[in-house]
Amino acid sequence: EVQLVESGGGLVQPGRSLRLSCAASGFTFDDFGMHWVRQVPGKGLEWVSGINWSGGNIDYADSVKGRFTISRDNAKKSVYLQMNSLRADDTAFYYCAKDKAAANIGAFDYWGQGTLVTVS
Amino acid sequence: SYVLTQPPSVSVAPGQTASITCGGTKIGSKSVHWYQQKPGQVPVLVVYDDNDRPSGISERFSGSSSADTATLSLSRVEAGDEADYYCQVWDSRSNHVFGGGTKLTVL
Repeated sequence: EVQLVESGGGLVQPGRSLRLSCAASGFTFDDFGMHWVRQVPGKGLEWVSGINWSGGNIDYADSVKGRFTISRDNAKKSVYLQMNSLRADDTAFYYCAKDKAAANIGAFDYWGQGTLVTVS
Repeated sequence: SYVLTQPPSVSVAPGQTASITCGGTKIGSKSVHWYQQKPGQVPVLVVYDDNDRPSGISERFSGSSSADTATLSLSRVEAGDEADYYCQVWDSRSNHVFGGGTKLTVL
């Protein structure tokens, strides 16, 4: 069974940093791209960042470019999101999602339960 | 940037077919994916690559895409299908883009 478990969310002051982690299990982690998607409570989905199977191809939404950094450790079957210079409009649930393919340009076939980041 | 436009809401009677549209420039040339999100739950992929269903997803879900509009169809609608539905594509300039979401109400 595929499982994605996020951690690291919480309350943080504007301008500070936070690191999210996503631990994966139930599939061959280094065969697939991974993503972070966020959702303000009651609002729609916003893709944040994606990373391909090897970490060699990384993309960011314009809203976080230069502030957030995605990375992965295939040995630990984990993907991370380092969030710096946090702003109030970064407040959202952050979901880790698995790509259907090795690249990071496909559909998101499994999602974690999400971790809430509150910037205030 | 690439924009996907969905109607905010769609209503349908039980047993009927619901159609949810997703508009985007030349969306017919892209792979469209659809997600269902029930209240308080995580999004679930229901259709990918225009009209493929993940394992375990009801055959009542189907998709189509042409020109500037993609459509998610849900046949024999049930009360349990009430949810928000999002379309999504990957665009070479805008990366991953989600539509604003459509709330499906079963009358």
